[in-house]
Amino acid sequence: DTGVSQDPRHKITKRGQNVTFRCDPISEHNRLYWYRQTLGQGPEFLTYFQNEAQLEKSRLLSDRFSAERPKGSFSTLEIQRTEQGDSAMYLCASSLALGAEYFGPGTRLTVT
Amino acid sequence: QQPVQSPQAVILREGEDAVINCSSSKALYSVHWYRQKHGEAPVFLMILLKGGEQKGHDKISASFNEKKQQSSLYLTASQLSYSGTYFCGTEHEEGGGYNKLIFGAGTRLAVHP
Repeated sequence: DTGVSQDPRHKITKRGQNVTFRCDPISEHNRLYWYRQTLGQGPEFLTYFQNEAQLEKSRLLSDRFSAERPKGSFSTLEIQRTEQGDSAMYLCASSLALGAEYFGPGTRLTVT
Repeated sequence: QQPVQSPQAVILREGEDAVINCSSSKALYSVHWYRQKHGEAPVFLMILLKGGEQKGHDKISASFNEKKQQSSLYLTASQLSYSGTYFCGTEHEEGGGYNKLIFGAGTRLAVHP
């Protein structure tokens, strides 16, 4: 068990560009979550998957955000036409159903 | 719907105790506690399910008061390594265990020698 991994760890992009982040969950975990965290706040839920099915997406999430989890393994989070307000730490977590969520190290996004 | 954590910040000397509270306005199915150090990801501490159970390991324990929809995290004989921000994540009862977590804003804990 190598834990949850995320790539890249840091991303600097210009406003208007698209970015994609990857998350590799703990191998036996069937649930995968994406969160966003800004300074001084707790993680804010974005979306989650059970296996390959996306079960819920935050109503706060604009249409510029999309996530996939093909084959129920790794997941990608794409942000299109980035805005400065998208600057944040993007955290991925995985769990077994009804179990604890284990977080990855996060991807810090800076939009200039 | 975000749970309310109190206090917002605590400063302790090594060996002192602290209690962090997490309250919700909605009926809860579970409460999850995490600790996050600066620049790192949140680390899972424990889960409490409705039923008023208490859990603990080492000198960190927690309780869940179902009637009050409140959970408390108890840190006893604090160590320097306890410093960080503590978050509670709550799962509403209506989800029955299949709902997302909603995190509080956190409690910053600093332990000094």
